Amino acid sequence: NAGVTQTPKFQVLKTGQSMTLQCAQDMNHNSMYWYRQDPGMGLRLIYYSASEGTTDKGEVPNGYNVSRLNKREFSLRLESAAPSQTSVYFCASSDRNTYEQYFGPGTRLTVT
Amino acid sequence: KNEVEQSPQNLTAQEGEFITINCSYSVGISALHWLQQHPGGGIVSLFMLSSGKKKHGRLIATINIQEKHSSLHITASHPRDSAVYICAVDFGNQFYFGTGTSLTVIP
Repeated sequence: NAGVTQTPKFQVLKTGQSMTLQCAQDMNHNSMYWYRQDPGMGLRLIYYSASEGTTDKGEVPNGYNVSRLNKREFSLRLESAAPSQTSVYFCASSDRNTYEQYFGPGTRLTVT
Repeated sequence: KNEVEQSPQNLTAQEGEFITINCSYSVGISALHWLQQHPGGGIVSLFMLSSGKKKHGRLIATINIQEKHSSLHITASHPRDSAVYICAVDFGNQFYFGTGTSLTVIP
């Protein structure tokens, strides 16, 4: 099992550019999450998907959109990147029975 | 919004020492998670607690629901335990995270 995979690992964008962060899990989990991690602030939930076909806003959704393409894949899109979106982005999925979260390796995004 | 406070923010210990990291939260939750973030950035789940105590190897986690407090203990600490330890509270599908405790264990 690969667990949770994310692409790309690193990305540099100019202000106003768009991009999609990809996430996939092979553990048959229903719930998937996107977080951002900033120095001194801890992880913050951007969006989550409790099941295929549903998505909900988290604590910091502004400037982002998500798609739960199927049970395996959950993508995060930045339509018009801003320097405030410079961060490390983590995707995670969770087991409905144990509620344990499994994290991807992260994407380090810099917006100049 | 639930506030999650961790203490201490930074901790340096000698190899072999007993370590305690604390986590307090402000409102009722369905569960609490302890996570470990390695120096390379990867995050792994250590424990999920809704009551009582759990033990895994040298790690012990406890939670007191009435006092809204959890502790993570590491017995016989080792340099490989050096990492950031993060507390997260679970409201079903919403998670709020502490800012982490950075632990360095010196040989």
